[in-house]
Amino acid sequence: LAKTTQPISMDSYEGQEVNITCSHNNIATNDYITWYQQFPSQGPRFIIQGYKTKVTNEVASLFIPADRKSSTLSLPRVSLSDTAVYYCLVVGMDSSYKLIFGSGTRLLVRP
Amino acid sequence: DAMVIQNPRYQVTQFGKPVTLSCSQTLNHNVMYWYQQKSSQAPKLLFHYYDKDFNNEADTPDNFQSRRPNTSFCFLDIRSPGLGDAAMYLCATSSLGQRYTFGSGTRLTVV
Repeated sequence: LAKTTQPISMDSYEGQEVNITCSHNNIATNDYITWYQQFPSQGPRFIIQGYKTKVTNEVASLFIPADRKSSTLSLPRVSLSDTAVYYCLVVGMDSSYKLIFGSGTRLLVRP
Repeated sequence: DAMVIQNPRYQVTQFGKPVTLSCSQTLNHNVMYWYQQKSSQAPKLLFHYYDKDFNNEADTPDNFQSRRPNTSFCFLDIRSPGLGDAAMYLCATSSLGQRYTFGSGTRLTVV
């Protein structure tokens, strides 16, 4: 199971772009990268996932370099409501597609 | 609209008194998961059902059991709750290899 490392916390201001980088040096060939967001007293919510290069959806972009040993979640123009914990996870067939959470990044967006 | 429903949202139980938490889903997903999340920590996987097959995590205490009588429902039984079992319990579902959908959780207090 690939271990992930991400910053414990980040601060930002409304309207800024936020980039959260996650390292996963021992990612396996069949693993993919997925990100979840969690607000206090709620269950985590899926944000985005990808295998390589760049993926974009209506809320975020995910950048994965060719060696796939890291990934960067990009949140464009954050608002106060983006204050949450963001989890980077590596998921694969070898681990039966289980989500094993690391410590996550606590993002605080200030006015 | 809720797709993974956990009842109750808050549960208070006495030390040592068995308690059952419930989860239901309308997504027809074949996998259901139970996570424990203590304050300021990441969710920790306790076990999951792949259809009727039960899969326990190696470090899940025997005090925790689960039942899945049908596709839609899954229960978490805590046989003898201790003070250390106070936590948020999260249920999640997925089709194998696809994104997870989490419920809002049940916050368990042990008195």
